[in-house]
Order: sequence, then C-alpha cells, then structure tokens
Amino acid sequence: DAGVTQSPTHLIKTRGQHVTLRCSPISGHKSVSWYQQVLGQGPQFIFQYYEKEERGRGNFPDRFSARQFPNYSSELNVNALLLGDSALYLCASSWGAQVDTGELFFGEGSRLTVL
Amino acid sequence: GENVEQHPSTLSVQEGDSAVIKCTYSDSASNYFPWYKQELGKGPQLIIDIRSNVGEKKDQRIAVTLNKTAKHFSLHITETQPEDSAVYFCAASKGKAAGNKLTFGGGTRVLVKP
Repeated sequence: DAGVTQSPTHLIKTRGQHVTLRCSPISGHKSVSWYQQVLGQGPQFIFQYYEKEERGRGNFPDRFSARQFPNYSSELNVNALLLGDSALYLCASSWGAQVDTGELFFGEGSRLTVL
Repeated sequence: GENVEQHPSTLSVQEGDSAVIKCTYSDSASNYFPWYKQELGKGPQLIIDIRSNVGEKKDQRIAVTLNKTAKHFSLHITETQPEDSAVYFCAASKGKAAGNKLTFGGGTRVLVKP
C-alpha cells in the first residue's frame, strides 16, 4: 500500500508569490494534518482536517489556508510568501481525528524555498 | 500553549552503547507522548509512544519512561547500531482538547559510530 504522498517534492518561489501543496493520505485514512518544519527545528502544527472539516489550527497567519476534498486528499495554500516561509511542509494522515492512536503517518514532505 | 524542551541537541555514541534523550513538557493536561525518528530526506516515523496512565513502555531495544509529576519523559535506546543514526523528536499532545495537534521538541541528532 502506498504511504502518504505529497507533491511537489521541491519548489522554489519568490517573495509575494502564492504556493499550493498537495497531499494524498493513506487509503482509508480520513484525517490529514499539516506541519511546517523549519531547518534544524521540530515540526510545528498548522492544520488538521477530518471528514472535510477543520478540526484544529495552529498559530499561523491567515496567509495559510487549507482544505480537504471528498476523496480525503488535501491542499495547503500559502499566500504572499515571505522568506521565513521557507521550510519542509509535512502532511500526516490517520484513520480518525485522534492523534493518540499511534497511527499518525507522515509523508516525506514538500521542501519550499522562498527567494 | 504547550512547550516541549528536548536535550541534548546532538548525541554521539559508540556502537553498542546506550543513548538517552530527555524531554520536558509544560502543560500538565498533556496525555500522549510519541517519539519520532526522522532520517535524512524523509518524514518523521513513529517509533514508540506512551500515554499518561503508563510509566514505562518497552519495544525491543527502545524504551520510554514518563514522570507525570516532574513533567518529563525520556527515550532509551540500548545496544545502538549505525542504523539508529537519525534525528529523534519527542512530542506531546492533549488530544482533542487542543485541536489534535502534536507539539514537538527541537530534536536530537544521534550519531552512532561504528
């Protein structure tokens, strides 16, 4: 079975541009979470979606938005990119909304560089 | 909000020795504590977790201990092997009460020397 897949794997943008990152969860998983991992730091929670509804939001500005589609895939959108948005964006999927089931699986991430 | 501190930031051990990584958390309501291993170019992978109603959990060469009173938990890796070299992250969660998010520590880069 395929794991969590993310696209694109790498991308370069310039300040002020917009970016869309995509995530396909493991088959059967209904929850998708997004994390930002700045180089040398631990991941930081951005959003959680379950059954197409937002279930959690981290301390990120409104420039960050996301959505989940009927097939449970998800998009993360970031507007008006800043240099500080350069990071690895990780998507994680799980069957249910709870994170304490031990079944949260991460993808390999999308590495965003903002110049 | 929750804050998770992780030490040390780097750890070098000889193959066969033990490695210990320690984390402290700030919110006493946290009840779930997973540990992740992240290899170069890959996403974090869950290696072991513990819930607040358990003091210790072991899985082959890895074990985790939790001290709720002191609000700290530790990862122990015994008989280290070169393939244990990676970055390890601890995390804490309050579950649904906090939007089902994991709060991660800053990571520990472990190098196992052959």
